[in-house]
Amino acid sequence: GAGVSQTPSNKVTEKGKYVELRCDPISGHTALYWYRQSLGQGPEFLIYFQGTGAADDSGLPNDRFFAVRPEGSVSTLKIQRTERGDSAVYLCASRSTPASGEQFFGPGTRLTVL
Amino acid sequence: AQSVTQLDSQVPVFEEAPVELRCNYSSSVSVYLFWYVQYPNQGLQLLLKYLSGSTLVKGINGFEAEFNKSQTSFHLRKPSVHISDTAEYFCAVSSRLRDYKLSFGAGTTVTVRA
Repeated sequence: GAGVSQTPSNKVTEKGKYVELRCDPISGHTALYWYRQSLGQGPEFLIYFQGTGAADDSGLPNDRFFAVRPEGSVSTLKIQRTERGDSAVYLCASRSTPASGEQFFGPGTRLTVL
Repeated sequence: AQSVTQLDSQVPVFEEAPVELRCNYSSSVSVYLFWYVQYPNQGLQLLLKYLSGSTLVKGINGFEAEFNKSQTSFHLRKPSVHISDTAEYFCAVSSRLRDYKLSFGAGTTVTVRA
C-alpha cells in the first residue's frame, strides 16, 4: 500500500487479557517506530526498530509490553495482562533510510481495556 | 535529552483571523523540527518540517513556521484560518543522534469559530 497501515483500528479487551497490534510500514522503509498517545496528550515513544532488531526499547513502560519485527517489515506490538491504564491510541510510523528525518504515521489502533 | 513545550493548550480564534501556536524545544544536539495536525478521530498528518536550510518553512494548508535557534523556538503561523483548521496541533523534535525518535509537545487545541 501507499502508506502505513495498522490493524485493528479499534480493539476492546478486558483487563488481564493479551492483545496484539499490527503495523505494516511503507514498503522499503527499514526504520519503524511505535508510539502511544493517551487521551489529551502528545504521542510518547515506545520502541524503535532498524531492520529486524529493536535498536531502542527504552520507551516501553514495563515488561508486559513487547514488540517484534521478524522479517524487517511488519511489526507486532504485544501487551500481556492488559490494565486499564494501557488504554490509548497506539501509533506506528516508518522512515526511509538514508535518513530523511521524516516519519510517516499510520492511523493508529485505539485500545480500550475494560 | 530532548523535550518540547507548547505554550498554549487551547487557542480559540475567529474565522479569517491569524493564528500563532508557540513551541519551544530543548536539546543538547542539532535537531529537526516538525508540526503535525490531528483532526478529530484521525491520525497524525505532517504540516511542515525543518531539517536544514532556510529558517522559514512553508507547509500545507497555508501554514508556515520559523526556526529560531537562539530562542530555541519553532512557532507555527497562519495568516487567515478556516473552520476546517479546527484540530489538535503537535510540535515535535528529533535528532539524527537519537535515531530520529520524535519527542512531542502536549498539543494545542485550535478551535475556529465563525
